Amino acid sequence: SYELTQPPSVSVSPGQTASITCSGDKLGDKYACWYQQKPGQSPVLVIYQDSKRPSGIPERFSGSNSGNTATLTISGTQAMDEADYYCQAWDSIHVVFGGGTKLTVL
Amino acid sequence: EVQLVESGGGLVQPGRSLRLSCAASGFTFDDYAMHWVRQAPGKGLEWVSGISWNSGSIGYADSVKGRFTISRDNAKNSLYLQMNSLRAEDTALYYCAKERRGDAFDIWGQGTMVTVSS
Repeated sequence: SYELTQPPSVSVSPGQTASITCSGDKLGDKYACWYQQKPGQSPVLVIYQDSKRPSGIPERFSGSNSGNTATLTISGTQAMDEADYYCQAWDSIHVVFGGGTKLTVL
Repeated sequence: EVQLVESGGGLVQPGRSLRLSCAASGFTFDDYAMHWVRQAPGKGLEWVSGISWNSGSIGYADSVKGRFTISRDNAKNSLYLQMNSLRAEDTALYYCAKERRGDAFDIWGQGTMVTVSS
């Protein structure tokens, strides 16, 4: 079965750029999307179709996808961005999530 | 307001059944595929099942195939998940999610908790 691999944790200082990776076999041939989940809340879509932002998502969130790796980039990271982030892609008719990355802003 | 509201969760013994419901509002329900995603306590997201707008295409995760059945009633703007032969490892918060059209899930409910324990 298809697997997506994320680093368990990433740390970033306020105002700096955070990058979270998601790796999967030929992931660049698929669309990747990203969700943000804060404690006690439902996931929120922050990036779809590799690099598009839904309405209401700040411009500091961006995405890319090439080869075997998709990347979520948060520029000028703020304390409010501290959360778990999950990548997601499709494998035929099945949906696959990455294991999640805890972003710490310190 | 676009909204998904799940219900039907609770405490159930191993081997028993439970039916989850998801009520949709604020969008044209029968235009979109819908999904169930679960999250075990302290763990990540796991896709459970999805159903196309007309129920013509249905998929299940290997972990629930043969035990869970997804369905929808477009006249009632509702999505369902019939869960049979429940196991301890099915314990999780179950989310209903709207598919954006072939890629991402743009709307999520608040979830309903299912606990499988004797």
